[in-house]
Amino acid sequence: GAVVSQHPSWVICKSGTSVKIECRSLDFQATTMFWYRQFPKQSLMLMATSNEGSKATYEQGVEKDKFLINHASLTLSTLTVTSAHPEDSSFYICSASGTDKLAKNIQYFGAGTRLSVL
Amino acid sequence: EDKVVQSPLSLVVHEGDTVTLNCSYEVTNFRSLLWYKQEKKAPTFLFMLTSSGIEKKSGRLSSILDKKELFSILNITATQTGDSAIYLCAALYNQGGKLIFGQGTELSVKP
Repeated sequence: GAVVSQHPSWVICKSGTSVKIECRSLDFQATTMFWYRQFPKQSLMLMATSNEGSKATYEQGVEKDKFLINHASLTLSTLTVTSAHPEDSSFYICSASGTDKLAKNIQYFGAGTRLSVL
Repeated sequence: EDKVVQSPLSLVVHEGDTVTLNCSYEVTNFRSLLWYKQEKKAPTFLFMLTSSGIEKKSGRLSSILDKKELFSILNITATQTGDSAIYLCAALYNQGGKLIFGQGTELSVKP
């Protein structure tokens, strides 16, 4: 099956610092990557959609200057939480889909990153 | 407003039981319905259903979509403790590849 790797799995940072999370598709070309946020006991909330080589499309209510997304290649997207504050503490998950038969229209998920902001 | 609703929100059964998880949706520009299993971290893909009335099966799991009544069910027969997880259903939009998720059903299988 399609494999998506997300790193780091857990990060603790001080308030005001920035944190970068990486999402890689390991065995397919991810034309589209998605970033979600998940609160405890809740479902996944889409934050933004990014297509390779173009600017990300953010969902309503998501601050694009706070959550910077880069999708510079067909296998890598990054999410940078800038000037993180305790309310940004959450579980962030990426997913990727591609155009080949394995990944067409199906999003494959990374293992997620737990961010704790002190 | 588009939405996906799952029921029940939680379920506790014993090993060997059969369970049915429900997912209803109201989504404009609907393309497909997907089911995922989320244990501790990443949701893992189970099924994608695009056509109505065609059952998809994988081992003890099966699923079917009713596009007229706008719902899907996920069946798990002869449940095992390893089936304990949160099961998520999501509607795929026709364009852009976006998913809208339901709240999830937390299944707990007791020995």
